[in-house]
Amino acid sequence: SQQGEEDPQALSIQEGENATMNCSYKTSINNLQWYRQNSGRGLVHLILIRSNEREKHSGRLRVTLDTSKKSSSLLITASRAADTASYFCATDFFSQGGKLIFGQGTELSVKP
Amino acid sequence: DAGITQSPRHKVTETGTPVTLRCHQTENHRYMYWYRQDPGHGLRLIHYSYGVKDTDKGEVSDGYSVSRSKTEDFLLTLESATSSQTSVYFCAISPGGASGANVLTFGAGSRLTVL
Repeated sequence: SQQGEEDPQALSIQEGENATMNCSYKTSINNLQWYRQNSGRGLVHLILIRSNEREKHSGRLRVTLDTSKKSSSLLITASRAADTASYFCATDFFSQGGKLIFGQGTELSVKP
Repeated sequence: DAGITQSPRHKVTETGTPVTLRCHQTENHRYMYWYRQDPGHGLRLIHYSYGVKDTDKGEVSDGYSVSRSKTEDFLLTLESATSSQTSVYFCAISPGGASGANVLTFGAGSRLTVL
């Protein structure tokens, strides 16, 4: 079964609003990553947060990690129509030889 | 995507025929991965490689085999394609490294239809 489970599966907001996506996982991780996928394209890496970090920022992105709850959230502030995409969390089992397991993704639609 | 190419990008085949997808990288990265993406399932890891001739199974490896005879190429083979293997296949690469972070760069994907 997949390690990362994401919530919600789909999210529709207006431009300028914030978008929050959540990811839960089952076992200990080395780090957690978020990726973005535009329709019909490959995934692009957004941000990585290590297991000893609680929060990380990159531009309009803010990621939090709660290892006690085995969960992470991705916040996109002041969203734009160009943020419309699917977002995936991925958990890193580097200690197990490099496996990276993805969640099912959240489909974000930002309406102008 | 720069540094990683997949071929073919589109393929239609019939049940029972063999199919090979190729992933080629010019980044000299150690790790290479094959994922499949299906509606409702997200991305699922099929096989991955952590070096030349070093491979391991992922979540959904049944019906697939892989080979990596040189750093730059990672081949995914469906010995006898089935309709359930209709999917979009993504190759990804990662340098790995002492930091322990596998940040993946993805190819553009290969859409396979098995009739």
